[in-house]
Amino acid sequence: GQQLNQSPQSMFIQEGEDVSMNCTSSSIFNTWLWYKQDPGEGPVLLIALYKAGELTSNGRLTAQFGITRKDSFLNISASIPSDVGIYFCAGQREYGNKLVFGAGTILRVKS
Amino acid sequence: DAGVIQSPRHEVTEMGQEVTLRCKPISGHDSLFWYRQTMMRGLELLIYFNNNVPIDDSGMPEDRFSAKMPNASFSTLKIQPSEPRDSAVYFCASSLIGDPRKGIQYFGAGTRLSVL
Repeated sequence: GQQLNQSPQSMFIQEGEDVSMNCTSSSIFNTWLWYKQDPGEGPVLLIALYKAGELTSNGRLTAQFGITRKDSFLNISASIPSDVGIYFCAGQREYGNKLVFGAGTILRVKS
Repeated sequence: DAGVIQSPRHEVTEMGQEVTLRCKPISGHDSLFWYRQTMMRGLELLIYFNNNVPIDDSGMPEDRFSAKMPNASFSTLKIQPSEPRDSAVYFCASSLIGDPRKGIQYFGAGTRLSVL
């Protein structure tokens, strides 16, 4: 079945550092989404990507839709304590409206 | 906007009991999704509905699980009988099929289920 490989599994970084995480797939996706989940809450959308090569920013967050349509990355610049949480990538194929989720990247920030 | 509303937030029950989880999607949304989240398996799609009709239930673990959507503003996920391995966080999400920003699903806060 469809699978998204998300890495790294976890990161423990110093406040102020930049963070990078990515997702890869053996299948092509037409939409890539990045979500963040805070403890005890549901995932919240951060960035949505719809075109191969698209680079989109949301504040300190930047995400790109890979040219091959099989990968995406998310960067967080100058991390702060409230960036702590689990970050998920999700992909959607052309037909249907199911999302396939990566396993998540756990981010911890040392202040 | 109220967002997706799930109830209860926490449920503790004993093995063998029936459990019913409830979801109210965002008003006007026409797709509804039920997910299960565990440490071992991450976020798994259990079932989803378009316009109150079940489209794909291939993720439902077994016959003990059932889901209904009697109208556009309410859905239930039932487990009968419950087992300890059903302990997880269950999320409901909704989306709008015709949304030009395709694919975006909005999640509720989840129901944390513990089966003892």
